[in-house]
Amino acid sequence: GESVGLHLPTLSVQEGDNSIINCAYSNSASDYFIWYKQESGKGPQFIIDIRSNMDKRQGQRVTVLLNKTVKHLSLQIAATQPGDSAVYFCAETYTGNQFYFGTGTSLTVIP
Amino acid sequence: DAGVIQSPRHEVTEMGQEVTLRCKPISGHNSLFWYRQTMMRGLELLIYFNNNVPIDDSGMPEDRFSAKMPNASFSTLKIQPSEPRDSAVYFCASSQGTGGYIQYFGAGTRLSVL
Repeated sequence: GESVGLHLPTLSVQEGDNSIINCAYSNSASDYFIWYKQESGKGPQFIIDIRSNMDKRQGQRVTVLLNKTVKHLSLQIAATQPGDSAVYFCAETYTGNQFYFGTGTSLTVIP
Repeated sequence: DAGVIQSPRHEVTEMGQEVTLRCKPISGHNSLFWYRQTMMRGLELLIYFNNNVPIDDSGMPEDRFSAKMPNASFSTLKIQPSEPRDSAVYFCASSQGTGGYIQYFGAGTRLSVL
């Protein structure tokens, strides 16, 4: 029979444009969140994190926004580059140790 | 820092054979995690250790899977006997401790069971 895999949301952007990747998390008690980037054939790589006492955190070319009211997390990438093409995962934790990962969003940057 | 080191990078074996995956966490990290990633189920936590002690193994699929951490710098994940449905990429990650710390991942072991 036909195998069914995870349906990975996809996002395609032009090089130089800004990208916004969204994540809905499940547990209102979650107090720590991480965005990971996974390139083909590699392990997830830490990008940026945020704790629940913050609404926004900025890194180099990346910004994470947290809306606890609607349990929503977003990752903004400024001036997207071809090297940003990857699958992006959000991860949440409320136990302090066990993270729960989203299904991921595939970002493709068009040169 | 060398990061989390996993070996082998690729493993191809036949159904019924024993498979051992290895992980060296980042020095100084006291928490270690084993994950499995498949297209069907995404990234799943199998087991994690704090200070070499298994804390939660509820994600281990069945008794064919076992994990050990004999010391702070080494862990193994063993599958015996292996089955085709075990084919996946297995990741090891480590972190500095509890209370919400960044987990750093290794490059993974791609396992194919024929």
